[in-house]
Amino acid sequence: GESVGLHLPTLSVQEGDNSIINCAYSNSASDYFIWYKQESGKGPQFIIDIRSNMDKRQGQRVTVLLNKTVKHLSLQIAATQPGDSAVYFCAEGNSGGYNKLIFGAGTRLAVHP
Amino acid sequence: DTGVSQNPRHKITKRGQNVTFRCDPISEHNRLYWYRQTLGQGPEFLTYFQNEAQLEKSRLLSDRFSAERPKGSFSTLEIQRTEQGDSAMYLCASSPMGSFSTEAFFGQGTRLTVV
Repeated sequence: GESVGLHLPTLSVQEGDNSIINCAYSNSASDYFIWYKQESGKGPQFIIDIRSNMDKRQGQRVTVLLNKTVKHLSLQIAATQPGDSAVYFCAEGNSGGYNKLIFGAGTRLAVHP
Repeated sequence: DTGVSQNPRHKITKRGQNVTFRCDPISEHNRLYWYRQTLGQGPEFLTYFQNEAQLEKSRLLSDRFSAERPKGSFSTLEIQRTEQGDSAMYLCASSPMGSFSTEAFFGQGTRLTVV
């Protein structure tokens, strides 16, 4: 069936470095994608979204890139901080399908001082 | 606190018992979702309410599971005759109506442990 997955289950970076978390999706009908951050014992927290008619979107220290040709999504975090340590999920949605989200398995980001 | 609220935060129950969880969405959010998350996995969609109407249910929602949103505000998720495989984090999310609204706000979840 349709699914969203991640390439790397764990990513370790040094504080101050840039982080890139990747995600592959398979449902070409999805019209938006979201990155969520989840800290231990908490619910997912919205980071940034991107619509399928866009290639790039920037937020505060974060950038999401969408490559529809290869069905690939990435989250770039600039100047990674210890507070960025968490599990990151990409999710895909379809505004014509009640906006339910299909999540991948997640990537754990570990930031070392 | 104006976020999505879930109660209880933790629940330990014996196999075979019934449990009920509650979700209070953000005020005026028409859309309410229940997801289940097991360790190391992403959340999986269970069911969706638009106001008080339950419009979609995942095949993950067996007949032991039932969800309600009687007045279009808070929602409850009940699991009957719990099994060890039901152990998971149950997440509730809400969002406003509108084709341009993609952000779903999640609660802290209810962690269920069936022993």
